[in-house]
Amino acid sequence: GENVEQHPSTLSVQEGDSAVIKCTYSDSASNYFPWYKQELGKGPQLIIDIRSNVGEKKDQRIAVTLNKTAKHFSLHITETQPEDSAVYFCAASKGSSNTGKLIFGQGTTLQVKP
Amino acid sequence: DTAVSQTPKYLVTQMGNDKSIKCEQNLGHDTMYWYKQDSKKFLKIMFSYNNKELIINETVPNRFSPKSPDKAHLNLHINSLELGDSAVYFCASSQEGPRTPGGYTFGSGTRLTVV
Repeated sequence: GENVEQHPSTLSVQEGDSAVIKCTYSDSASNYFPWYKQELGKGPQLIIDIRSNVGEKKDQRIAVTLNKTAKHFSLHITETQPEDSAVYFCAASKGSSNTGKLIFGQGTTLQVKP
Repeated sequence: DTAVSQTPKYLVTQMGNDKSIKCEQNLGHDTMYWYKQDSKKFLKIMFSYNNKELIINETVPNRFSPKSPDKAHLNLHINSLELGDSAVYFCASSQEGPRTPGGYTFGSGTRLTVV
């Protein structure tokens, strides 16, 4: 069945360093890959997304890359700040009669040390 | 103005009880979802409704029954609560609907504790 693997499960970086979170997906029909940030006591919030016809997308300090051949996609955060500390989730879905269903990765707890 | 609002935020109840969680979205989205987040933070879809029609029903015990009176509301009723039902339940909505995937807007969650 559909599966999304996310690594690492925890990541600790110094303020100002970069952070990279990686995901792989199993269903080659997947065509939409969002990333969510979940702060303590809150619901996940969409921070960036990419569709399968694009290889890379950037929004200020956040970028996402997609390798469709390898079925990998990654989140890159540059110049990390303490407020970036949160749980990050990757997800994947596909355009079919059963879509809208996001399959989430297991989450990465990012800690940015001041 | 909260885009996706869930009530209650916290729910503590005894085993065997029946409880409901309500969700409302004011974004004009056609599709709404219920996700369950377990103690390890894993998010798993339970149900999806598109314009009041059930679209996705994952392998969820039939003690869980969603109801969508209109496309802005999706409620979750749970019968005969069990200890394993303890989790955070998130409601979400999306713009494009089930045939064109899009980003979700999540509510802030309902933490259900069954004792």
